[in-house]
Amino acid sequence: EIVMTQTPVSLSVTPGQPASISCKSSQSLLHSDGKTYLYWYLQKPGQSPQLLVYEVSSRFSGVPDRFSGSGSGTDFTLKISRVEAEDVGIYYCMQGIHLPLTFGGGTKVEIK
Amino acid sequence: EVQLLESGGGLVQPGGSLRLSCAASGFTFNNYAMSWVRQAPGKGLEWVSGISATGGSTYYADSVRGRFTISRDNSKNTLSLQMNSLRAEDTAVYYCAKSADTLPTKTWFDPWGQGTLVTVFS
Repeated sequence: EIVMTQTPVSLSVTPGQPASISCKSSQSLLHSDGKTYLYWYLQKPGQSPQLLVYEVSSRFSGVPDRFSGSGSGTDFTLKISRVEAEDVGIYYCMQGIHLPLTFGGGTKVEIK
Repeated sequence: EVQLLESGGGLVQPGGSLRLSCAASGFTFNNYAMSWVRQAPGKGLEWVSGISATGGSTYYADSVRGRFTISRDNSKNTLSLQMNSLRAEDTAVYYCAKSADTLPTKTWFDPWGQGTLVTVFS
């Protein structure tokens, strides 16, 4: 099983300031097809998770461009360039290369 | 609009059974894999089970293999999860989620249903 490790566990950010979340996998998520199967989800309070980023750096439809994903192999980062109040919630990374699909433990983002 | 609506959650004693359903609409159901993902109270996300678009292949987490059975009825656009021999650690909100491809790997989940709560208590 691929273990996904997220840091930090929580983050308190002033509106308008940047935020960064790290996700590390225990095995490379680079497939022989050249794609890297790393995803980012946001679970807003009281809601179901929603997709933000797929394959490391591709923003999903409707996701603001203040969100950006980067990384390769086993090390990945989600950055929010300027945090807004609506960005609060728990962020999860997920690997999709091998079953069982596994998630990071989550990073809770709060507004100062 | 793509919609997933779970039902079937509730209270059950350890060792008991429960069947969850997920009604899908707004997309061609038999073109996409589906999965169940759960979230224990105050905890993170755990993938439980997945099924291919045709239903011909099923996949399970070790924690539920042999106790849970995933299935789908493509004629009724419905995904199911039969849960047997339930344990206290199965207590969670269960979400159904649509994959973006015919298999549950190498793809993302979107959307997720609103979830249904399963509580296993003694």
